[in-house]
Amino acid sequence: DAKTTQPPSMDCAEGRAANLPCNHSTISGNEYVYWYRQIHSQGPQYIIHGLKNNETNEMASLIITEDRKSSTLILPHATLRDTAVYYCIVSLFGNEKLTFGTGTRLTIIP
Amino acid sequence: SAVISQKPSRDICQRGTSLTIQCQVDSQVTMMFWYRQQPGQSLTLIATANQGSEATYESGFVIDKFPISRPNLTFSTLTVSNMSPEDSSIYLCSVEDLRHGGYTFGSGTRLTVV
Repeated sequence: DAKTTQPPSMDCAEGRAANLPCNHSTISGNEYVYWYRQIHSQGPQYIIHGLKNNETNEMASLIITEDRKSSTLILPHATLRDTAVYYCIVSLFGNEKLTFGTGTRLTIIP
Repeated sequence: SAVISQKPSRDICQRGTSLTIQCQVDSQVTMMFWYRQQPGQSLTLIATANQGSEATYESGFVIDKFPISRPNLTFSTLTVSNMSPEDSSIYLCSVEDLRHGGYTFGSGTRLTVV
């Protein structure tokens, strides 16, 4: 799997948009970008994934650059419950193991 | 999403003993994945379990230490054998979730070896 680079920590004010960057400069053409988060003492939770188009679901938006070397996860209106470690992972689609990096610890400030 | 029931949620075990962790999924899945998360660390894949065949282990993990069973398409167990304090970690199982294309994780088993 390609490696990803994320900032170790970020803060965001409650109610504001949280923008979490991820660099994946060695991503191959058939690898997807996945985002997961892990709230303290819980298992990781799937957020969103994409190949090359921007994606949006009820949790977040994923913006992937045209060259696919980086992406940004956007939580549009952060709440205190969004405080978690966010993992950006690149992987092939379907029954593939995930290689977790160190992630970004996002803290939402009241 | 797929629903995973993982048991036990936590346990405190004596060194030298073994613990078997169970993972039950509410739908049939081809592959199940077992991860370890050491204190303050990220997740590391232990092995991939396919029904009807031997599990595939990642570098640094061996079958004698972490035997895995996969008797059917909805169930798997991971045993942590001959435990030492270094085995104190959270152990998680995971399956692909076709509903959203990502993976669903169990809530984890927090193991403390004393």
